Amino acid sequence: QKEVEQNSGPLSVPEGAIASLNCTYSDRGSQSFFWYRQYSGKSPELIMSIYSNGDKEDGRFTAQLNKASQYVSLLIRDSQPSDSATYLCAVNAGRDYGQNFVFGPGTRLSVLP
Amino acid sequence: GAGVSQSPRYKVAKRGQDVALRCDPISGHVSLFWYQQALGQGPEFLTYFQNEAQLDKSGLPSDRFFAERPEGSVSTLKIQRTQQEDSAVYLCASGVGTYTDTQYFGPGTRLTVL
Repeated sequence: QKEVEQNSGPLSVPEGAIASLNCTYSDRGSQSFFWYRQYSGKSPELIMSIYSNGDKEDGRFTAQLNKASQYVSLLIRDSQPSDSATYLCAVNAGRDYGQNFVFGPGTRLSVLP
Repeated sequence: GAGVSQSPRYKVAKRGQDVALRCDPISGHVSLFWYQQALGQGPEFLTYFQNEAQLDKSGLPSDRFFAERPEGSVSTLKIQRTQQEDSAVYLCASGVGTYTDTQYFGPGTRLTVL
């Protein structure tokens, strides 16, 4: 059973602070990793993807991947109230046909003005 | 361009009724996924199509669930003899290529079984 784990939160940070979201996964053969943002009542939207160990930055977002530790994180700098949402970690552990997305339960982030 | 659309957006069914949920993926997208998302949980994989071929249906929870994509575009998820535990949001997502990593989600269908 492939699993993706996240702290459910809520994680509360003040406006302007750095929010740190963490995710671990069980399938060591996983190749690609994603962070989705989901506002209440809306569908998930992709904010970051990462494939190699290390950091990947995109604006205020930085994804970090450590395959040896089976760990993915997302940092949000200068957090804004509009960042308040549930953040879903997803892993593609696909093999033969390339597609096997497993989502974590999500971490609810609240950015306080 | 148009994104992924799903219909109906909301569906209320009495226990035991059959329901059909429709997904219109982005035009030309090869990959199509169905997910079930219970309240407060992440999406759970149900099934995957590559064009009209259903390559993975390992996530379908029972034989009451059936999905098809006969012409490789529109897909329908059918649930027979609905039960209360089927109440959830059903999400459809599509992707450009065969081994696409980027999925584009539709708005979902919220199914409530009374």
